[in-house]
Amino acid sequence: KNEVEQSPQNLTAQEGEFITINCSYSVGISALHWLQQHPGGGIVSLFMLSSGKKKHGRLIATINIQEKHSSLHITASHPRDSAVYICAVREINTGTASKLTFGTGTRLQVTL
Amino acid sequence: NAGVTQTPKFRILKIGQSMTLQCAQDMNHNYMYWYRQDPGMGLKLIYYSVGAGITDKGEVPNGYNVSRSTTEDFPLRLELAAPSQTSVYFCASSYAGQGASRNTIYFGEGSWLTVV
Repeated sequence: KNEVEQSPQNLTAQEGEFITINCSYSVGISALHWLQQHPGGGIVSLFMLSSGKKKHGRLIATINIQEKHSSLHITASHPRDSAVYICAVREINTGTASKLTFGTGTRLQVTL
Repeated sequence: NAGVTQTPKFRILKIGQSMTLQCAQDMNHNYMYWYRQDPGMGLKLIYYSVGAGITDKGEVPNGYNVSRSTTEDFPLRLELAAPSQTSVYFCASSYAGQGASRNTIYFGEGSWLTVV
């Protein structure tokens, strides 16, 4: 059974700080998603990656397939980055694309 | 282009009542999903569909039913609501064809359901 573990569970940072959120998983995967859930509840896809690194604005996502580990970095954090960040993985050979296993999320609070 | 639209946003049900959560997407996605999110837990897959007329169970299907008569719509039916079905429900969709948006998943805004 695939386990997706995120750390830390909760994170408080001051505006401008560099933030790292980690995700580890236990089985082979074909892709990993990073999602953002705002206090109102809506979930938005930030990244989908299967190797290497992707960057979008102040957000950077990296993945190491051999070590079964991914990180989400936020540079120059801002209060509007406050949200729950969720890691989800798609196992190899699930028989159906996009049957995902989700982590429990990292709650980030960025203060002024 | 509205993306994934689900209704209602909030609903209180009495034990034993039935209701349908509506979900529609306008992106011509072939895959659609229903998830539930319980406090402190990761999202769990209830049912999914790979195309019109095709549905299958996820991890936690008991107490729910779905149908997919069109590409756009994927309603979730709760029969005989129970307190254990109190949760936040998310509908999502993705495209499993070719192209840059392949397998990117799009979520609805969520439906908060309380069963009392």
